[in-house]
Amino acid sequence: EVQLVQSGAEVKKPGESLKISCKGSGYRFSTYWIGWVRQMPGKGLEWMGAMYPADSYARYTPSFQGQVTISADRSISTAYLQWRRLRDSDTGIYYCVREHGGSSDYWGQGTLVTVSS
Amino acid sequence: EIVLTQSPATLSLSPGERATLSCRASQSVSNYLAWYQQKPGQAPRLLIYDASIRATGIPARFSGSGSGTDFTLTISSLEPEDFAVYYCQQRSNWPLYTFGQGTKLEIK
Repeated sequence: EVQLVQSGAEVKKPGESLKISCKGSGYRFSTYWIGWVRQMPGKGLEWMGAMYPADSYARYTPSFQGQVTISADRSISTAYLQWRRLRDSDTGIYYCVREHGGSSDYWGQGTLVTVSS
Repeated sequence: EIVLTQSPATLSLSPGERATLSCRASQSVSNYLAWYQQKPGQAPRLLIYDASIRATGIPARFSGSGSGTDFTLTISSLEPEDFAVYYCQQRSNWPLYTFGQGTKLEIK
């Protein structure tokens, strides 16, 4: 069974750094793109970018380019989303997704990130 | 950036009725369109990809149609568990995927 299991909720202050994780199982992790989607409180879904774990090639939408870093550790089938300096506006739920063909076919349960002074 | 506009924003129907949700793209996305369902407190779930292909395990009452700029998600006969928010997503312009703003399907 394919599963994406994300790390737990985080509460941070503005300016702090953060790295959240997404562990894949039940499939060959390296050969599927992993994407990240943001959902701000009470709002819709925003595509952030994705990475191909086999070669660590990552692409970002312009809104998130330079704001976050997507990475992966193939040896433990885990993808990461990282911020160097959090802002209040980074508050939201972050989902990792497996990319397959024409869809995001499996979703993690989401990680709630709260940034507040 | 390709903008997706979903309509209506909210759709109020009763169980057993037919639901028709629309998604319009600002430019052609061919058939590279997916639909997702999200219930409160849950992650979204894939329903339809490539405009009309049902994902694994999705009931036959869900169907997708369209190509180019106009797409439709139809639920033929609403079940109580179908009341949720539905999002379309264009996958034509990698990596600039975008989602529509969502349609909330509520019980009348």
